[in-house]
Amino acid sequence: AQSVTQPDIHITVSEGASLELRCNYSYGATPYLFWYVQSPGQGLQLLLKYFSGDTLVQGIKGFEAEFKRSQSSFNLRKPSVHWSDAAEYFCALNQGGKLIFGQGTELSVKP
Amino acid sequence: NAGVMQNPRHLVRRRGQEARLRCSPMKGHSHVYWYRQLPEEGLKFMVYLQKENIIDESGMPKERFSAEFPKEGPSILRIQQVVRGDSAAYFCASSLGLAGASSYEQYFGPGTRLTVT
Repeated sequence: AQSVTQPDIHITVSEGASLELRCNYSYGATPYLFWYVQSPGQGLQLLLKYFSGDTLVQGIKGFEAEFKRSQSSFNLRKPSVHWSDAAEYFCALNQGGKLIFGQGTELSVKP
Repeated sequence: NAGVMQNPRHLVRRRGQEARLRCSPMKGHSHVYWYRQLPEEGLKFMVYLQKENIIDESGMPKERFSAEFPKEGPSILRIQQVVRGDSAAYFCASSLGLAGASSYEQYFGPGTRLTVT
């Protein structure tokens, strides 16, 4: 069955440090992959997407993600984290229209 | 604001009452999706609709839940005879109804927080 796994439930990084959030997927065909961010009590904001082509995709707020088919991964990165990046991050896979989400990774940022 | 609109933002219902959640998609979007977020279960797909048609309802509970997206007006998620386990955040998303990769991009509303007392 198709699935998305985010191995890290909670990550803490220092402000200004680099960030990588992991996402692994299980899907038989070429996946359509997404990263969303959710602040407390808010909806989900689309950060970036991968459909095909260049495996390194750029998103909003300085985020990027790299699609690696051989590793079934789509990890999210940011070179320098800001305190305002503290939120929950969700990786998702589109299956026939519906999104299948990972469990989410909560990011805390230390001053 | 041309984003996805949901109302009410917060809804309190007693056990046995009905809950109606409304969603207006982004301008130009003709596909609507409903998701539920429970603390221990994460975000789960419920139903996918286009105007006057249900495309995929594989995530909807078999009883008490229904959804519609009429030709005119918002999409409605209806929960009859609510129970405490229905307490959750319910999110609506919308996408373009055109062919191509852009149709897979879903934009989310702020959600409705349902509390059943």
